[in-house]
Amino acid sequence: DQQVKQNSPSLSVQEGRISILNCDYTNSMFDYFLWYKKYPAEGPTFLISISSIKDKNEDGRFTVFLNKSAKHLSLHIVPSQPGDSAVYFCAAPGGDNYGGSQGNLIFGKGTKLSVKP
Amino acid sequence: GAGVSQTPSNKVTEKGKYVELRCDPISGHTALYWYRQSLGQGPEFLIYFQGTGAADDSGLPNDRFFAVRPEGSVSTLKIQRTERGDSAVYLCASSGGGPTDTQYFGPGTRLTVL
Repeated sequence: DQQVKQNSPSLSVQEGRISILNCDYTNSMFDYFLWYKKYPAEGPTFLISISSIKDKNEDGRFTVFLNKSAKHLSLHIVPSQPGDSAVYFCAAPGGDNYGGSQGNLIFGKGTKLSVKP
Repeated sequence: GAGVSQTPSNKVTEKGKYVELRCDPISGHTALYWYRQSLGQGPEFLIYFQGTGAADDSGLPNDRFFAVRPEGSVSTLKIQRTERGDSAVYLCASSGGGPTDTQYFGPGTRLTVL
C-alpha cells in the first residue's frame, strides 16, 4: 500500500509557464515532506521541504503548498525553464522519525516533467 | 570529492553470484542510507546507519542482503545468490545525522542480474 502517491507519471509544460506537480499521502502521522529532483544517471537532489506547521514554503521559483486536511501537497515552479526537465519525487520520513528527515524516506513514484522551449 | 560517491557505476552479474556495492559518504556525515530504485518506481528504503550501527534495517528484502559500515564512513551493500529481480539502481545517501538534515544522494550503482 503506497503511503506517498504521485498519480501523474508525466507532465509537459511550455517554457515560462507554471508547472504544478501533485502528491497525495495516506499516513496522517507524516508531518514533514520533501521534494527531490532527479536527472538521468544522477542521484536525486534535494529541492525543497515543508513542515506541517506551515502551509507554504517558497524558495526562488519553487513553492510547495501543503493541505493537511486533504493530505495533499503540490510543487509549483514559476516560471518553468527547460533545465527544470527532470523526474520529481515527493517524499516523507517514515519509521519513527516523523517531524524530521532522519531515518528512511518514503518516496512516490515520481513525475517526469518536460519543459518545452 | 565533495559529494557521495558510489562504485561501481554499473555491475553486470549472473544469477546466483555474489556482489558488493560500495558507498563513500560525504566526509563527516554520520548517517548513511541505502535505497533501491526499480524501473518506474521511486527509491525504496533498504537500511540506515547511524555511525557504525544499523539503526533501521527493516527495508532489507530478505537475508540475501546485508550491509556493513565498520568504521562509520564507507559502507558496503552485499547481495548473495543474486536473482534477476535484484536488478535495479542501488542508491546511497548520507546526512549530518540531525533530525532535519538533508539526505544527499550518490549517482547510484546500476545492477543487472542476467
